Amino acid sequence: KAGVTQTPRYLIKTRGQQVTLSCSPISGHRSVSWYQQTPGQGLQFLFEYFSETQRNKGNFPGRFSGRQFSNSRSEMNVSTLELGDSALYLCASATGLTSPLHFGNGTRLTVT
Amino acid sequence: DQQVKQNSPSLSVQEGRISILNCDYTNSMFDYFLWYKKYPAEGPTFLISISSIKDKNEDGRFTVFLNKSAKHLSLHIVPSQPGDSAVYFCAASARSGNTGKLIFGQGTTLQVKP
Repeated sequence: KAGVTQTPRYLIKTRGQQVTLSCSPISGHRSVSWYQQTPGQGLQFLFEYFSETQRNKGNFPGRFSGRQFSNSRSEMNVSTLELGDSALYLCASATGLTSPLHFGNGTRLTVT
Repeated sequence: DQQVKQNSPSLSVQEGRISILNCDYTNSMFDYFLWYKKYPAEGPTFLISISSIKDKNEDGRFTVFLNKSAKHLSLHIVPSQPGDSAVYFCAASARSGNTGKLIFGQGTTLQVKP
């Protein structure tokens, strides 16, 4: 079974631009979550989606948004990028809300 | 306010010995706990989990212990192998809140020496 796939793996953007990251969950998984990893803050929760509905949102500004499609694939968008948005963005999927999350290898975003 | 804490940033163990990684939490609503292993440039890999109704869960060389009264959990790896060298994260969630949202600790870097 293929794992969680995130594209692209690496991304370099300039301050003020916007970016869209993509995630394909494990086949059959309906829950998708996004996390941000930085050296200073560690792994922090961004969003949680289940069957196209956002179930939970982390403590991030409104510049961070996401969505889930009917095939469970998910995207997250960051608008008006700031230098502090440089991070590893991780997507994870699960069969349901009470199952362990399985993570992709992440998208490394660098904002210059 | 850090709800999940891993107070040891690093741990070094000899191959074949036991590795014990510790984690403390503060939120009594947490009812599901997990351990993940992470190699550089990869996403976290799920290792083992435990529900708050149990105090121990075992899977091969990995055992997780939960002490609810102390709000403490630990991961035991026996015997430790050089391939176990990685960053280990504990995580917690409040599944009774109908969410899979995980709160992670800051991680402990385990080095297993041959």
